[in-house]
Amino acid sequence: GIQVEQSPPDLILQEGANSTLRCNFSDSVNNLQWFHQNPWGQLINLFYIPSGTKQNGRLSATTVATERYSLLYISSSQTTDSGVYFCAEMIYNQGGKLIFGQGTELSVKP
Amino acid sequence: DSGVTQTPKHLITATGQRVTLRCSPRSGDLSVYWYQQSLDQGLQFLIHYYNGEERAKGNILERFSAQQFPDLHSELNLSSLELGDSALYFCASSVISGSGASIHNEQFFGPGTRLTVL
Repeated sequence: GIQVEQSPPDLILQEGANSTLRCNFSDSVNNLQWFHQNPWGQLINLFYIPSGTKQNGRLSATTVATERYSLLYISSSQTTDSGVYFCAEMIYNQGGKLIFGQGTELSVKP
Repeated sequence: DSGVTQTPKHLITATGQRVTLRCSPRSGDLSVYWYQQSLDQGLQFLIHYYNGEERAKGNILERFSAQQFPDLHSELNLSSLELGDSALYFCASSVISGSGASIHNEQFFGPGTRLTVL
C-alpha cells in the first residue's frame, strides 16, 4: 500500500538553528501537504506542494516528485516552531484521502 | 484560522454512549473529510463527503456514521463508545479542481474535537 515515511522522528534544536525534515512517499504524488501540529493540537497548513519549491518566511519546502521525496526547511528556528510536523499525500483515486506520515516532533530550546 | 469550525472542542463521555461531532466547512468548500488521530494509529482517514454524497470510506468502524447536510455542514456520529475510541477527531474541507492526476485538492483542517471515553 501507499506509505509516507518521515525522518527524523524527533529533533531537538537550539533557538536560531536551522533544520531539514524529510518526507518519502511510495507512490507518484498528486498532492503533497505539510502541516504543523502545535502543542494545542491544531493542524496548521504550511505548504501545498506537489512539486517544485515554495517559501513562506523562515520556512520553505521542496518536492521532487520524480524521486518521491519532499523536504521542509526551517531556518532560524524559534520556540514557537515546536510541535509535530506532518507531511501527507493525497490519493486522488481513493476519494482524495490524505495519507499521513508519522510526523517529526520538533523541540526548540531557548 | 483555517475557516473550518468544529464543535464541541472537548467531549468526555462513558463507554456505551453515543456522541455527535459537528463540522462546518470553509465557505464555498463542497468536500468534507473526517480524520481520527490516536496515539497508536496516528492520523487516519475516516470518510469523505462531497456536496451531500458519500465519496469514500476509510477504516471507519460500523459503529461510526457520518452525513453532510444541504447547508454543507457535516456530523460524525459515534455510538456504543469504547475506551479505544478516545482520540482527536478532525474535520477538513476543500474545494476540488481539475481531475485525475492533475487534481488540486488542498485540505484545511478544523481545530478538532478531543473525545475522552471513560
